[in-house]
Amino acid sequence: ILNVEQSPQSLHVQEGDSTNFTCSFPSSNFYALHWYRWETAKSPEALFVMTLNGDEKKKGRISATLNTKEGYSYLYIKGSQPEDSATYLCAFEGSDSWGKLQFGAGTQVVVTP
Amino acid sequence: SQTIHQWPATLVQPVGSPLSLECTVEGTSNPNLYWYRQAAGRGLQLLFYSVGIGQISSEVPQNLSASRPQDRQFILSSKKLLLSDSGFYLCAWTRGTGNNSPLHFGNGTRLTVT
Repeated sequence: ILNVEQSPQSLHVQEGDSTNFTCSFPSSNFYALHWYRWETAKSPEALFVMTLNGDEKKKGRISATLNTKEGYSYLYIKGSQPEDSATYLCAFEGSDSWGKLQFGAGTQVVVTP
Repeated sequence: SQTIHQWPATLVQPVGSPLSLECTVEGTSNPNLYWYRQAAGRGLQLLFYSVGIGQISSEVPQNLSASRPQDRQFILSSKKLLLSDSGFYLCAWTRGTGNNSPLHFGNGTRLTVT
């Protein structure tokens, strides 16, 4: 069983503030690192699929960076809004297990007005 | 466009009863299909994975089984449910391996075994 760890487990953010949180994963047999947003009463939605060391992806106010050599990825939310409230999941996809994602437990983000 | 349907949305079943959850995908062919479960306070755990009709990979030993009778249909079953089978079950699909395809999830089934 691979260790995919996310921290913190939860965080509260004031509207307008920026925040970030971490996903750590095995640095060996890396193929891809996925980020998903899971809003209450909805299904998880893909944000990014990252494959290259040093890669940085952006979608609106959300961005992510990737360090495959040390095994971590950061997700950033700039100028948080209440609609950003969700659980953010990362998932590791290994080169020896294509298509079989190992998920972290998630970071729950609550943005208060 | 592609859509994924999963049902039922909620289910309450007594211990020892059978289970059948169904998932279908529309708008794509030969998808990879998955069953994930989220137990209380834990992350998503991969249960089953299928790359084609009749091809099922079981990721963890358990009381559940999966079948893929048609290209875009994935079924999760149990002959006798245990209390520990309670959880939130998600079906998902991708276009295939090796192409950085993200998972597309259904809306999930909340299963409570009493």
